Amino acid sequence: DAGVTQSPTHLIKTRGQQVTLRCSPKSGHDTVSWYQQALGQGPQFIFQYYEEEERQRGNFPDRFSGHQFPNYSSELNVNALLLGDSALYLCASSHIIQGQGQETQYFGPGTRLLVL
Amino acid sequence: AQSVTQLDSHVSVSEGTPVLLRCNYSSSYSPSLFWYVQHPNKGLQLLLKYTSAATLVKGINGFEAEFKKSETSFHLTKPSAHMSDAAEYFCVVSWGNNAGNMLTFGGGTRLMVKP
Repeated sequence: DAGVTQSPTHLIKTRGQQVTLRCSPKSGHDTVSWYQQALGQGPQFIFQYYEEEERQRGNFPDRFSGHQFPNYSSELNVNALLLGDSALYLCASSHIIQGQGQETQYFGPGTRLLVL
Repeated sequence: AQSVTQLDSHVSVSEGTPVLLRCNYSSSYSPSLFWYVQHPNKGLQLLLKYTSAATLVKGINGFEAEFKKSETSFHLTKPSAHMSDAAEYFCVVSWGNNAGNMLTFGGGTRLMVKP
């Protein structure tokens, strides 16, 4: 059973460019969350997708957007890249049980983005 | 609002000695708490979770944590450190609603294990 997978593993962009990161959830999971982990810090929540809609959002600007597909996979898009967007971007998947909330989130290996 | 404070940014122990990583949380209601571990250049792996079933939670690789509501603490312990335990450890609180949960991470504790 494959766990959470992310692509690409590494990416280099320049300021002002746009980037798309991809995530495939663990089998049986229907919810995808994205986190940004700057060097030497803990991950910060960006947003969460369930049933192809953004359900929760952290304190990130509108330059950060996402999408969830019918097969539950997800994309994170970042526009107008800034140097400060350089980070490890982590995807986590989980399963929501109606009326009981969300089960544990399992993380992928991450995509390391460097903005020059 | 939920928050997590990891009291030590670095902890160094000798192999075979006990490990204690300290975590305090702030939550306006009964929290779900987790410890995750991150090895260099790897993703996050779940060590254990507390969801109000039992205050002493056992995890993988011999780790355990005790939820103490009166102290708002959730410290991680292991009786005997192994070289492979060297990694970054994150204490995490989960909060949200039936639409989904968000994880709030502490700043992390880097565990170093000396031979």
